[in-house]
Amino acid sequence: QKEVEQNSGPLSVPEGAIASLNCTYSDRGSQSFFWYRQYSGKSPELIMSIYSNGDKEDGRFTAQLNKASQYVSLLIRDSQPSDSATYLCAVGSQGNLIFGKGTKLSVKP
Amino acid sequence: DADVTQTPRNRITKTGKRIMLECSQTKGHDRMYWYRQDPGLGLRLIYYSFDVKDINKGEISDGYSVSRQAQAKFSLSLESAIPNQTALYFCATSDSLKAAYEQYFGPGTRLTVT
Repeated sequence: QKEVEQNSGPLSVPEGAIASLNCTYSDRGSQSFFWYRQYSGKSPELIMSIYSNGDKEDGRFTAQLNKASQYVSLLIRDSQPSDSATYLCAVGSQGNLIFGKGTKLSVKP
Repeated sequence: DADVTQTPRNRITKTGKRIMLECSQTKGHDRMYWYRQDPGLGLRLIYYSFDVKDINKGEISDGYSVSRQAQAKFSLSLESAIPNQTALYFCATSDSLKAAYEQYFGPGTRLTVT
């Protein structure tokens, strides 16, 4: 059974701080990795994709991938209250995505 | 305009009723998916379709059926609804020619079975 593990949180950070979200996966053959943001009662929104080891930056977001350790992370710099949401890690495997259960992030003003 | 639409957005139905949830997309994607989301259980794949003639069961297909009427339309049916099918249902799409694993979600349907 392919699995994606995330700490459920809640992760609470003050406004302006860096939020660090982590994810591990079991399928060593996976090559595609994603972060989705989901506000309460809304649909998941794709915010980052990463395919190669290392860092990928997009605005305040940085995704980090370490395939040897089977580890993906998302850093949110200068966190804002509007970043408060559940963040889902997803890993591509055999034609489909396997989702973690999500980490709830709360950014306090 | 939304690229992926779902109808209805909310539905309350009674145990034993047949219900259909519909998904349409204007993204031109070939792949479509149905998920359900329950608190604490995350997103679980019900069915997926890689093209009009290719339909596959996901992790939790029992009690559900699907129809891919066209590349742009993918419907999910609950033949005889039961209360534990109360959940948030999402349709998603992806493009096998560009980024097969990048899935884009519709707004969801909140289904309550009483």
